[in-house]
Amino acid sequence: QVQLQESGPGLVKPSGTLSLSCAVSGASIGSDDYYSWVRQPPGKGLEWIGQIYQSGSTRYCPSLQSRVAISIDKSKNQLSLQLTSVTAADTAVYYCARHSGFSFPTWGQGTLVTVSS
Amino acid sequence: EIVLTQSPGTLSLSPGERATLSCRTTQSVESRFLTWYQHKPGQAPRLIIYSASSRATGIPDRFSGSLSGTDFTLTISRLEPEDFAVYYCQQYIPSFSGSFSGYTFGQGTKLEVK
Repeated sequence: QVQLQESGPGLVKPSGTLSLSCAVSGASIGSDDYYSWVRQPPGKGLEWIGQIYQSGSTRYCPSLQSRVAISIDKSKNQLSLQLTSVTAADTAVYYCARHSGFSFPTWGQGTLVTVSS
Repeated sequence: EIVLTQSPGTLSLSPGERATLSCRTTQSVESRFLTWYQHKPGQAPRLIIYSASSRATGIPDRFSGSLSGTDFTLTISRLEPEDFAVYYCQQYIPSFSGSFSGYTFGQGTKLEVK
């Protein structure tokens, strides 16, 4: 059974960089899989941030594209998210998810990141 | 830009009743690109329906999905207490001539106990 677990700082200062990791267990991240990051600001809906394929190929949400980077570390079997120049609007629960076809059957539990000084 | 619009925003029903949740997209879409998730506070979203009408593993048959043109519907035939949650539709947007390719979510429908 594939499991995902997000980790990273729960507090980031404005204008700083948000950095999260997603550890994958029960599957090799180098296999034929896509992974995504999704976030949910407090009181709002889900927002897709971007995706990465095992080859390292990425696609990002247009509204975040200039600030976001998703990467894969096959040696650690994890993926990472970096979001630069953060503001309070980036405060959210951040999830990583594994694709199957065009849906996301497997999600991490999510991690809350607050942007505040 | 493709937008998913869910309605109603909030649906108040009682256990045992039938729930019908709608999601409208701005252009016709292949059924395999459409998904429904259930989301409860403090939990990860849960895949309910994929490819517009296929139930995910472990999802009871009271949940069903359908697609008609640009209208995507999730029906819960007889509500159980554990079904009250927020439901999101999701669409994959394939790339055409280098344009945006990725995913978008509807704004959600909150299914609450009446």
